[in-house]
Amino acid sequence: AQKVTQAQTEISVVEKEDVTLDCVYETRDTTYYLFWYKQPPSGELVFLIRRNSFDEQNEISGRYSWNFQKSTSSFNFTITASQVVDSAVYFCALSEPDTGRRALTFGSGTRLQVQP
Amino acid sequence: EPEVTQTPSHQVTQMGQEVILRCVPISNHLYFYWYRQILGQKVEFLVSFYNNEISEKSEIFDDQFSVERPDGSNFTLKIRSTKLEDSAMYFCASRAIVSDTQYFGPGTRLTVL
Repeated sequence: AQKVTQAQTEISVVEKEDVTLDCVYETRDTTYYLFWYKQPPSGELVFLIRRNSFDEQNEISGRYSWNFQKSTSSFNFTITASQVVDSAVYFCALSEPDTGRRALTFGSGTRLQVQP
Repeated sequence: EPEVTQTPSHQVTQMGQEVILRCVPISNHLYFYWYRQILGQKVEFLVSFYNNEISEKSEIFDDQFSVERPDGSNFTLKIRSTKLEDSAMYFCASRAIVSDTQYFGPGTRLTVL
């Protein structure tokens, strides 16, 4: 069965620190998608990135970067030079299109607090 | 930029009452989803909908739940007889046929008293 684990429940950093949010997944499928969503205090879910299982290139978008490693079933998210506006709950999620399971399986989320 | 919208933003109801949560997916999207998030917990999948029928559902989506696309723009979730444990944030999401990315609405907070 598919599973997403975010072992870090809460992280607190001071502004300008770098922070990495961990995500470990389990799946039996060879084709799958991994996602990160941000949930700010206002409550909405904001899509950040999608990565498919055949693309192990790391991605950078501004201060955000993602490290996908199939060997360790991990898809970690790093925020460089964190800002107060980064304070949110971050969710990692998985879908498995080959089995027809396109519904997202979410991890339990990591609450990031960035202190000024 | 097109976005998913949901109404109402907050609904308060008495236990045993029926509620209908409404969503307007992104206009060219054909796959629709409902998820829920009990306060402080993770987001859980309820149901997906394509071509006017349910394509996937979770064990949470029991007989008290139903979904409908009553017209060309709305997608609704009905809870027939609400229970206290139905109190949660309910998110609607949609995706295009050529993409696996789901875009979420702002959510409806349902409070059952």
